[in-house]
Amino acid sequence: SQQGEEDPQALSIQEGENATMNCSYKTSINNLQWYRQNSGRGLVHLILIRSNEREKHSGRLRVTLDTSKKSSSLLITASRAADTASYFCATALSSNTGKLIFGQGTTLQVKP
Amino acid sequence: DAGVIQSPRHEVTEMGQEVTLRCKPISGHNSLFWYRQTMMRGLELLIYFNNNVPIDDSGMPEDRFSAKMPNASFSTLKIQPSEPRDSAVYFCASSLRGADTQYFGPGTRLTVL
Repeated sequence: SQQGEEDPQALSIQEGENATMNCSYKTSINNLQWYRQNSGRGLVHLILIRSNEREKHSGRLRVTLDTSKKSSSLLITASRAADTASYFCATALSSNTGKLIFGQGTTLQVKP
Repeated sequence: DAGVIQSPRHEVTEMGQEVTLRCKPISGHNSLFWYRQTMMRGLELLIYFNNNVPIDDSGMPEDRFSAKMPNASFSTLKIQPSEPRDSAVYFCASSLRGADTQYFGPGTRLTVL
């Protein structure tokens, strides 16, 4: 079964609204990363949060990590039509292997 | 600086044919990953290399799939013989160190008829 499971699977909002996506995982992790994928393109790294961190910001992005609940959330504030994409969480179980396990993703549509 | 380069971008072939996908990682990166993405199964890690050495190939579906990394700047993923269920987008990614950020190529869309 998937290490990372995301919720919701799809999200549709109006431009200017905030979008929140959640990711749950099963085993202990070294770090958790969020990636974005535009239609027909490769994945692009957004932000990395380590297991000893609880919150991280990057521009309009805010990521939280709750290791006791084995969950993370990605908040995009003041969304734009250009934020329309699929968003994936990925967990790294170890700092040595480099192996990431990706969730199924959340498809976000931002309507202008 | 060029990102991860993959070729071809699109490949259409007939069942039973050999398919070779190519990847050039970002210069200086020492980890390389091959993924497969389908609607049904999402993004799956097939195999990854550290310093040109295969570390984990547990995601390779079956013996029809093989991957090589003869040097730090080139890797191939080969499917022989190909089957319609191999149709997917195949991504290559590289990273500088261990579990840090991975940089993805644009992918190869493979269609096996």
